[in-house]
Amino acid sequence: AQTVTQSQPEMSVQEAETVTLSCTYDTSENNYYLFWYKQPPSRQMILVIRQEAYKQQNATENRFSVNFQKAAKSFSLKISDSQLGDTAMYFCAFMKRGSNTGKLIFGQGTTLQVKP
Amino acid sequence: DGGITQSPKYLFRKEGQNVTLSCEQNLNHDAMYWYRQDPGQGLRLIYYSQIVNDFQKGDIAEGYSVSREKKESFPLTVTSAQKNPTAFYLCASKQLAGNTDTQYFGPGTRLTVL
Repeated sequence: AQTVTQSQPEMSVQEAETVTLSCTYDTSENNYYLFWYKQPPSRQMILVIRQEAYKQQNATENRFSVNFQKAAKSFSLKISDSQLGDTAMYFCAFMKRGSNTGKLIFGQGTTLQVKP
Repeated sequence: DGGITQSPKYLFRKEGQNVTLSCEQNLNHDAMYWYRQDPGQGLRLIYYSQIVNDFQKGDIAEGYSVSREKKESFPLTVTSAQKNPTAFYLCASKQLAGNTDTQYFGPGTRLTVL
């Protein structure tokens, strides 16, 4: 069974600085997807970034980028130039590629506070 | 506007009552999902459906029931058999065909048992 672990329950960062959120996962699968979702105080889950395991290049989306280390089963999220609107809970998630269920396995979440 | 809607936003239930949470999507997605979110535990899958009139249990299906009579709709009933139903419930959907493995979420329903 797959598991996803986020070892940092809470983090804080000053506005305009850079912060990295950690995520590790355990799987015997070779083909899969990894996701970072953001849940702001409104509680709407928003996709931040998506990585396909067969791609070596790390995904980037504007100020958000990942460091995907497949051998180490690590998938960290870097937020550059942090903004107050980045304050949210962040979830790392795993999905087996080609899964007939499309089931997402979530980590416990990291609460990020961006301070002015 | 394409998206997923959930209603109501807040729901209060008395002990012993069944309540139904609504989830509707106009994204033409095949698959729909229900997750439960508790503090410190992330999201856990309750039920999912990949096609009309078919659905499967997730990891924590006990005390819940669903139906999928239309592609757009996937209501969740929290029955009196669910011992600790107070939680935040999220509905999601995704397309099954093609390289589109991303799930999109609705705004959620907060259920509180009085």
